[in-house]
Amino acid sequence: QKEVEQDPGPLSVPEGAIVSLNCTYSNSAFQYFMWYRQYSRKGPELLMYTYSSGNKEDGRFTAQVDKSSKYISLFIRDSQPSDSATYLCAMSVLGNNNNDMRFGAGTRLTVKP
Amino acid sequence: EPEVTQTPSHQVTQMGQEVILRCVPISNHLYFYWYRQILGQKVEFLVSFYNNEISEKSEIFDDQFSVERPDGSNFTLKIRSTKLEDSAMYFCASIPRSGSYIHEQYFGPGTRLTVT
Repeated sequence: QKEVEQDPGPLSVPEGAIVSLNCTYSNSAFQYFMWYRQYSRKGPELLMYTYSSGNKEDGRFTAQVDKSSKYISLFIRDSQPSDSATYLCAMSVLGNNNNDMRFGAGTRLTVKP
Repeated sequence: EPEVTQTPSHQVTQMGQEVILRCVPISNHLYFYWYRQILGQKVEFLVSFYNNEISEKSEIFDDQFSVERPDGSNFTLKIRSTKLEDSAMYFCASIPRSGSYIHEQYFGPGTRLTVT
């Protein structure tokens, strides 16, 4: 089993739709969970991070962590064409050690006008 | 807004050749990183660098790789004898200060390395 699994998509939705992006993981020691957005020909850009379980909201974005199920989600409300990008989940045990940071493969999202 | 820059954007090289990938981190940042992303695969940590020495490295970062901060602004990744499997996007990242969390890192736009 891979340490972090993420459906690569592609995922295509109409403008205004609610998008749900998900990752599962196998290492129960992960405590820090991050979502990155990556536009074509650009580096990953941090969208949100959470520590431990629970929800975190920032504008149209909500990050959710369920440690009991080893499952994390990113929800995008009222999706816009500018949200079209690849979304990467990442997680870490310690939060300050890049060697233990694990990325998902990324989900490519297209929001159609 | 300050940003991490990387050059070149695309490098094509022949197998066995040496390549140097360059990064200019954000000016007041102290920790520097290299990651790679093989096409269609996940981003993988290679190495971190602080105070002119390697802090951590992954299993990928073998003797063929080296890093250097030659002049106080550039941060370079050298691959001595490239292999076909080194073809990937290479991202540089930096963090402001000691004790920063990994979510505080800024990524550059990447250099696409193609080994033929």
